Amino acid sequence: QSVLTQPPSVSGTPGQRVTISCSGSSSNVGSNPVNWYQQLPGAAPKLFISNDDERPSGVPDRFSGSKSGTSASLAISGLQSEDEADYYCASWDDRLSAWVFGGGTKLTVL
Amino acid sequence: EVQLVESGGGLVQPGESLRLSCSASGFTFRNYAIHWVRQAPGKGLQYVAGISINGGTTYNSDFVKGGFTISRDNSKSTVFLQMRSLRPEDTAVYYCVKDIFGYFGALGHLDYWGQGTLVAVSS
Repeated sequence: QSVLTQPPSVSGTPGQRVTISCSGSSSNVGSNPVNWYQQLPGAAPKLFISNDDERPSGVPDRFSGSKSGTSASLAISGLQSEDEADYYCASWDDRLSAWVFGGGTKLTVL
Repeated sequence: EVQLVESGGGLVQPGESLRLSCSASGFTFRNYAIHWVRQAPGKGLQYVAGISINGGTTYNSDFVKGGFTISRDNSKSTVFLQMRSLRPEDTAVYYCVKDIFGYFGALGHLDYWGQGTLVAVSS
């Protein structure tokens, strides 16, 4: 059971916009930044969004992050087949004094 | 280029021990906290342990029940994860991950990940 809650799967067609939600609590998402990771099949996770809404160098601007209260979201616009991957949210938990992750969301491009 | 290379994984029997290593390059190793995150087959990411720049602060997740110990050797740019009394549920790919800060906490985040090393615990 993951501390942060994500939908197991989302899907969309090329060119569409999809969002992935991440729900937490006051001890993590509600008080600390959220980071998002992309994991392609067979590969290690890669940082895609940091500090709620910052894109590291090299991440397409089709990806954006947002947060409100104890929930965060990753939005992907202009969906492309190469975006098909697992996406994980993560945040520091003040109560556990540890990093906590969502269960991951599998994005399928139809 | 930041590189983190894990080694030491393999197949062990329940109750046995294993020591993982993470060799770092491409950045000033002694300035950054390092973490271990694992991923069981077909499952999500799970935070295992972390260590601050000088090893003065470490963290081990509750589920390891004291069986894992993280340490680092800044002179060799290497982090270790000593795992004892391994159980089948410890089977996973173990990733070594760099922090953006020297001390772990809300101000930091995990930026670079190694490719991982597979630990399989089975009789």
